[in-house]
Amino acid sequence: TQLLEQSPQFLSIQEGENLTVYCNSSSVFSSLQWYRQEPGEGPVLLVTVVTGGEVKKLKRLTFQFGDARKDSSLHITAAQPGDTGLYLCAGGKGGKLIFGQGTELSVKP
Amino acid sequence: EAEVAQSPRYKITEKSQAVAFWCDPISGHATLYWYRQILGQGPELLVQFQDESVVDDSQLPKDRFSAERLKGVDSTLKIQPAELGDSAMYLCASSILSGGAWSTDTQYFGPGTRLTVL
Repeated sequence: TQLLEQSPQFLSIQEGENLTVYCNSSSVFSSLQWYRQEPGEGPVLLVTVVTGGEVKKLKRLTFQFGDARKDSSLHITAAQPGDTGLYLCAGGKGGKLIFGQGTELSVKP
Repeated sequence: EAEVAQSPRYKITEKSQAVAFWCDPISGHATLYWYRQILGQGPELLVQFQDESVVDDSQLPKDRFSAERLKGVDSTLKIQPAELGDSAMYLCASSILSGGAWSTDTQYFGPGTRLTVL
């Protein structure tokens, strides 16, 4: 059983569209991190959220941590081909990071 | 900008052979992690070091996997003998602080070693 469930697992959209990726769990996390990973490379940290209800923006990306610190979402506005990649959420628990299975995003020009 | 270094980037081996991966964390980072990432899945922690000590190796298959960080700096992960199911990306990450229970330490990942077992 996956502790962190991401949805959707795959997403293929056209340039300019908006999208939201969800990360859900029944467990409470001390923090929630979002990473982006390109093929053949390691994950690169995008953002860390630590407070329930927290919203952070990074250019066209908006991240939200659920009030109960059990879930999170990533919203991308006007997606670009350069946004293509694997998006991973990871929850901090007991000094470890527990990763979701990832959302594979493809943005077509 | 400081980065986590890993080598080799790619490794192809036959089953029953021994393989070793090397990781050099960002200078000054006390905590080092080894993860395994199967294609299409998120990374799973294999072992966590705090300086030279193992903090967590509960998910490390100890019959065939071993990891060491003798001087508390760089680290080696070994598999002997390799099995077909070991084919995956092996990622190393480091963080500056102790990774305590409520830690929000940022983990910085290396580029990974892609292992293929034939």
